[in-house]
Amino acid sequence: DTEVTQTPKHLVMGMTNKKSLKCEQHMGHRAMYWYKQKAKKPPELMFVYSYEKLSINESVPSRFSPECPNSSLLNLHLHALQPEDSALYLCASSQDLGAAGGPQHFGDGTRLSIL
Amino acid sequence: DAKTTQPPSMDCAEGRAANLPCNHSTISGNEYVYWYRQIHSQGPQYIIHGLKNNETNEMASLIITEDRKSSTLILPHATLRDTAVYYCIVRVLLDTGRRALTFGSGTRLQVQP
Repeated sequence: DTEVTQTPKHLVMGMTNKKSLKCEQHMGHRAMYWYKQKAKKPPELMFVYSYEKLSINESVPSRFSPECPNSSLLNLHLHALQPEDSALYLCASSQDLGAAGGPQHFGDGTRLSIL
Repeated sequence: DAKTTQPPSMDCAEGRAANLPCNHSTISGNEYVYWYRQIHSQGPQYIIHGLKNNETNEMASLIITEDRKSSTLILPHATLRDTAVYYCIVRVLLDTGRRALTFGSGTRLQVQP
């Protein structure tokens, strides 16, 4: 069981659709992360939020739009995605961003397929 | 900036100890070494982390060399369920000037019956 919950577990969408991925944690963590993972590759960092403010954007295309409505929730809004965006999208959280911020805890991800 | 190097794959017999090495020769003085594993179709699972001293928990032991340039994760009695990709990770300085955990290629551990 994971303490970071991601919904939906699977999502299939067309290139013109708009959808959102959701992530929730109730561990009181103040840093939250989005990663993208292609098959047989390691996770790649996309975005980092610290205290509900965007701290890191790893040059992610604007068709991915993150949002942190409160300290427990993290969303990833998707619009006009391309087939190459098909991947496992992972959310993680940690106590904070610093060196002593503790380990990141990951959800089991949303498997996204773009038709 | 600090990156990690791990062997791409290892085999281990069930019931034996699995020793997974990691090189992090450019790690900064205040940065921790983290170990995660990922079983197919699941998110990465946190195993253990350390700064200078050796660490042990219910899952594994972490041995860090005195110069902090390398570490070894030890699974004392490997089971088939330990078959996974194991990642040794440190925080890396990004182009944005911030630091964040960055995954390398990891070691694919296959536990054999």
